[in-house]
Amino acid sequence: RKEVEQDPGPFNVPEGATVAFNCTYSNSASQSFFWYRQDCRKEPKLLMSVYSSGNEDGRFTAQLNRASQYISLLIRDSKLSDSATYLCVVNKGGYSTLTFGKGTMLLVSP
Amino acid sequence: DTGVSQNPRHKITKRGQNVTFRCDPISEHNRLYWYRQTLGQGPEFLTYFQNEAQLEKSRLLSDRFSAERPKGSFSTLEIQRTEQGDSAMYLCASSLGVSPTDTQYFGPGTRLTVL
Repeated sequence: RKEVEQDPGPFNVPEGATVAFNCTYSNSASQSFFWYRQDCRKEPKLLMSVYSSGNEDGRFTAQLNRASQYISLLIRDSKLSDSATYLCVVNKGGYSTLTFGKGTMLLVSP
Repeated sequence: DTGVSQNPRHKITKRGQNVTFRCDPISEHNRLYWYRQTLGQGPEFLTYFQNEAQLEKSRLLSDRFSAERPKGSFSTLEIQRTEQGDSAMYLCASSLGVSPTDTQYFGPGTRLTVL
């Protein structure tokens, strides 16, 4: 089983739609979780951290389910500028290194 | 620009040649990381430094790869006797180093093509 698994997509949605991505991780000792955004041929940039209680940042909501070892990202009212690859990222068990999923591609169309 | 910088941005080399990449982290950041990303994959961890000490190396880092951070500031990643399989984007990231979960900020990467 891969350490971090994501559906690669692409997810094609119209502007204004709500879209959700899920991610599963295999290491139950993982301690911190993130969503990064990566535009084509650019570096990854932190979108948001994911907390056990769930957290929201504007149109973006992240949830963590430790029992099932999955993380979700919900994007409401999609914008054209949301088109990117969304990387699910896990910090494995107290180390500083990050384990990335392959990413989920989102394409928002007019 | 106070972000992470990497040089060169692109490198094309012939198989068997040696290449060296440089990373300049954000100035107050103690931790520096190297990752490699191939098409369709997420970044994969290679190694990281806490100041000048190299604390962890991935199994991906074969003996042809060496990284240094001699003064705890910039870092270099050298690949000897390059192979076509080394073609990838090499990403550098840095973080404050106060907590293991500090945010990592990535540089723009060096894209390596081995012919």
